[in-house]
Amino acid sequence: EAGVTQFPSHSVIEKGQTVTLRCDPISGHDNLYWYRRVMGKEIKFLLHFVKESKQDESGMPNNRFLAERTGGTYSTLKVQPAELEDSGVYFCASSQRGPGLTNEKLFFGSGTQLSVL
Amino acid sequence: KQEVTQIPAALSVPEGENLVLNCSFTDSAIYNLQWFRQDPGKGLTSLLLIQSSQREQTSGRLNASLDKSSGRSTLYIAASQPGDSATYLCAVKQGTSGTYKYIFGTGTRLKVLA
Repeated sequence: EAGVTQFPSHSVIEKGQTVTLRCDPISGHDNLYWYRRVMGKEIKFLLHFVKESKQDESGMPNNRFLAERTGGTYSTLKVQPAELEDSGVYFCASSQRGPGLTNEKLFFGSGTQLSVL
Repeated sequence: KQEVTQIPAALSVPEGENLVLNCSFTDSAIYNLQWFRQDPGKGLTSLLLIQSSQREQTSGRLNASLDKSSGRSTLYIAASQPGDSATYLCAVKQGTSGTYKYIFGTGTRLKVLA
């Protein structure tokens, strides 16, 4: 069974450019989460999809970030325009069980290292 | 606001030692607590998940305990090996009214010396 896959693994862009990150969750997983780790800080929640619907986007930093999940399958996270403080590792995670259950187990992708110069 | 703290931030031990990693959280209203391992340049791998009604979970040389009332969890690694070297993260799951999220600690960087 394929795990959670993320593309690209690394992205280096200039301030003001646009970058789109992609996440393919494990097949059959309705829950998809985006998290971000900025250098030296803890991993922080960005948003949560249940199938194609945004369940919680309270962690999105600002309106320069746009997440979509087409048909409840893969998800994209677009940053436009990118700023220096957006640099970090962006992780995607998926889970099968209902998010309200205590035995929900998250499966993470390897992350996308984003560097904004 | 939930805060998750991990102590120590870094740890270096000789091979074969038993060790304990600590995780504390400020709000005991959690659904579960997960311990993850992260290798450099890689994603997070779930090691153990302890549901809120459970006290501990074991997998091989790993044992994790949960004391919800005191807001603490420990990850015990027995007979450590160089291959255990990684960053260990704990995360608690919280939420209400259909919105749920994991809150992460900053991790403990473990180095096991051969």
